[in-house]
Amino acid sequence: GQQLNQSPQSMFIQEGEDVSMNCTSSSIFNTWLWYKQDPGEGPVLLIALYKAGELTSNGRLTAQFGITRKDSFLNISASIPSDVGIYFCAGRDNYGQNFVFGPGTRLSVLP
Amino acid sequence: DAGVTQSPTHLIKTRGQQVTLRCSPISGHKSVSWYQQVLGQGPQFIFQYYEKEERGRGNFPDRFSARQFPNYSSELNVNALLLGDSALYLCASSLLTAGELFFGEGSRLTVL
Repeated sequence: GQQLNQSPQSMFIQEGEDVSMNCTSSSIFNTWLWYKQDPGEGPVLLIALYKAGELTSNGRLTAQFGITRKDSFLNISASIPSDVGIYFCAGRDNYGQNFVFGPGTRLSVLP
Repeated sequence: DAGVTQSPTHLIKTRGQQVTLRCSPISGHKSVSWYQQVLGQGPQFIFQYYEKEERGRGNFPDRFSARQFPNYSSELNVNALLLGDSALYLCASSLLTAGELFFGEGSRLTVL
């Protein structure tokens, strides 16, 4: 079945630093979603991507749909303490109705 | 506007029991999906329903079943609970079957 890999698995950064994380797939996807999940809560949708090469921003967050359609990237600029959480990517191909989720990247922000 | 609502938020069951989890989608959304999230992992797809019909099923045993009602709310049932069923069960709604997923807070199930 389809699998997504996310890297890094976890990261510790200083407040104010920029963050980059990525998601890779064994399959070609036509939609990528990025979510943030806080402890004990459901995932919150951050950004949705629909076209190869697409670059979309949401405040300090920027995500890109990879040209190969097998990867996606999320960048966070000038990190703040509330950015702490687990970031998940999710992808869907042309044939599937459901989204496949990656294992997540755990972000910790040090003051 | 209310988001996706799930109930109960927490519950504890013993092995062999049955559980029913409930979900109300965002107003106007006709598709509901269920995901299981085990601690430390990403959500795993269980079911998708659209207009009361099952549109997708993940790799879960027949002990798992679901349905969608005329008002688009949904229930997930799990029979003969096992310890391994302990997880956060997430409901997500979307406008269409291929739309962006909006999640509820989840139902935390603990099986003892």
